[in-house]
Amino acid sequence: DQQVKQNSPSLSVQEGRISILNCDYTNSMFDYFLWYKKYPAEGPTFLISISSIKDKNEDGRFTVFLNKSAKHLSLHIVPSQPGDSAVYFCAASEKGSSNTGKLIFGQGTTLQVKP
Amino acid sequence: DAGITQSPRHKVTETGTPVTLRCHQTENHRYMYWYRQDPGHGLRLIHYSYGVKDTDKGEVSDGYSVSRSKTEDFLLTLESATSSQTSVYFCAISVAGLQETQYFGPGTRLLVL
Repeated sequence: DQQVKQNSPSLSVQEGRISILNCDYTNSMFDYFLWYKKYPAEGPTFLISISSIKDKNEDGRFTVFLNKSAKHLSLHIVPSQPGDSAVYFCAASEKGSSNTGKLIFGQGTTLQVKP
Repeated sequence: DAGITQSPRHKVTETGTPVTLRCHQTENHRYMYWYRQDPGHGLRLIHYSYGVKDTDKGEVSDGYSVSRSKTEDFLLTLESATSSQTSVYFCAISVAGLQETQYFGPGTRLLVL
């Protein structure tokens, strides 16, 4: 039973356009959400996060939106750049209950930004 | 760079043999994690540690054990490797108070024949 799902295995966008990556979750106890980015042959790197008390968090070109009623979050990248081509993982945590840092990851979405 | 190294970086072994992977950090972080990455599954937590000799299970702990006798080292052992444990293994650390923001090592690619 996958508690965090990324239903699109891949996404291709043109340089300069918006990339939207989506993530759905089923566990209503999740209260903290993160996006990680991974290049081939490297470990994932933290990108951006959002607490369940917010519905939006922005960091430069990256914005994460959280819709708690729909149990859905999305990552917007504007404008997309070729260097953004990577695998993006969303992750969720029950931060408030245990604070152990235990993360549940989605399957990942491979983003390709074409020049 | 969070000062995390993993060894070995690549390993080929045979079914039934024991395997130990090492994660080493240089910044005395309290929390350390072991994940495996497989196609279609993303990353899944195997075990984690919240201090020396303090460890707990993650999502997919069966067939794995861990030890942490020093702050800087977190060892993952496959007691008797199986082909289903062929995977890429990542170690991660986090800063106390920001446990969800984790910094990952470069990974170990393990092939069990």
